[in-house]
Amino acid sequence: AQSVTQLDSQVPVFEEAPVELRCNYSSSVSVYLFWYVQYPNQGLQLLLKYLSGSTLVKGINGFEAEFNKSQTSFHLRKPSVHISDTAEYFCAVSEGDDKIIFGKGTRLHILP
Amino acid sequence: DAMVIQNPRYQVTQFGKPVTLSCSQTLNHNVMYWYQQKSSQAPKLLFHYYDKDFNNEADTPDNFQSRRPNTSFCFLDIRSPGLGDAAMYLCATTLNPGPTAHTQYFGPGTRLTVL
Repeated sequence: AQSVTQLDSQVPVFEEAPVELRCNYSSSVSVYLFWYVQYPNQGLQLLLKYLSGSTLVKGINGFEAEFNKSQTSFHLRKPSVHISDTAEYFCAVSEGDDKIIFGKGTRLHILP
Repeated sequence: DAMVIQNPRYQVTQFGKPVTLSCSQTLNHNVMYWYQQKSSQAPKLLFHYYDKDFNNEADTPDNFQSRRPNTSFCFLDIRSPGLGDAAMYLCATTLNPGPTAHTQYFGPGTRLTVL
């Protein structure tokens, strides 16, 4: 069965600094990978997804992620964060059926 | 704008008093999901519908039931809420099952408080 590990429960970053949110997954088959963002008191919104092809995936709001099969990772990056990026970020994995499995989330704190 | 709507946004109920949460969608998607999200935890899938086919997760308690009377609406019924059922309940939709349709569209959630 697939699973997702987000090692950092919270990440504080100064405004305009770069950030990386880490995600590792485990699966016995090919996977599809996602990053979702949840702003306070809102539902989840898709940031980006990897289905196939190029391992570098670009998403909304300047975020990108790189699929690394050998390291079973799908880390999320942004070169310069803004206060509006304050949110919880969830990595998720699917093996191609109807369901996706979410990680526990990483709370991104932007410091002024 | 096409969207996923959840009502109410905040629901307070008493221990053991049945409660129903509502989800509607204007996306005309075939698949609808219900997730439970407790504080600082990942969303946990309770069940989902593919059209009228109901798919229950193995570890979803019997206390949780769902109805989908038509494509647009889906309800979550909690028959006898316990204190441990206090959580955010998220509804999501996707057009069809399968890997290329895994963009799930989420509603804003209903925060359930059990007194």
